[in-house]
Amino acid sequence: QVQLQESGPELVKPSETLSLTCSVSGYSISSGYYWGWIWQSPGKGLEWIGSIYHSGATFYNPSLKSRVTISVDTSKNQFSLRVTSVTAADTAMFYCARGSADKRVPLDTWGQGILVTVSS
Amino acid sequence: DIQMTQSPSSLSASVGDRVTITCRASQSIVNYVDWFQQKPGKAPKLLIYTGFHLQSGVPSRFSGSGSGTDFSLTISSLQPEDFATYYCQQTYSSPYTFGPGTKLEIK
Repeated sequence: QVQLQESGPELVKPSETLSLTCSVSGYSISSGYYWGWIWQSPGKGLEWIGSIYHSGATFYNPSLKSRVTISVDTSKNQFSLRVTSVTAADTAMFYCARGSADKRVPLDTWGQGILVTVSS
Repeated sequence: DIQMTQSPSSLSASVGDRVTITCRASQSIVNYVDWFQQKPGKAPKLLIYTGFHLQSGVPSRFSGSGSGTDFSLTISSLQPEDFATYYCQQTYSSPYTFGPGTKLEIK
């Protein structure tokens, strides 16, 4: 049974970089599949951030692309998210999930989420 | 970007009721819509993918239909555990956008 778990700082200062990691258990990322990040804020609802293939190929939400990087570490069975130059508007619950978010592979398994607050 | 709208935004119903939630896309997305259920404090859970395919482990009382711009999620007989918020998501064109949600409450 695949399980995902987000981890990282829950408080980030404005203008700094938010970094989160998703640890995958029950499935080897190197075996394939797509992996994605989604955030949920009271003001904007659920929003897809971007996805990565096990090979490292990425695709991002165009509105966030300039600030977001998703990477994969198959040796640790993890994938990660970095968001630069954060503001209070980036305060949200962040979820990692298995899937591409597009028509290829649905977001079929999600982590429990991590609430990240941007504040000085 | 493709905008997804849902109606109603909230709905009160009783156990045993048949309930339908609708989702409309701002342009045709063929049948590339997924449906999720989210309970308070929990992550979304995939119910239906690509319009009408039931995700493994999801009860058969859930069904999806529609094509083009109009889609629906139907729960044939509401159970107590079904009271939650439901979201549609288009998987047709980037950015892959979600609807604002429909909150299903107990009457």
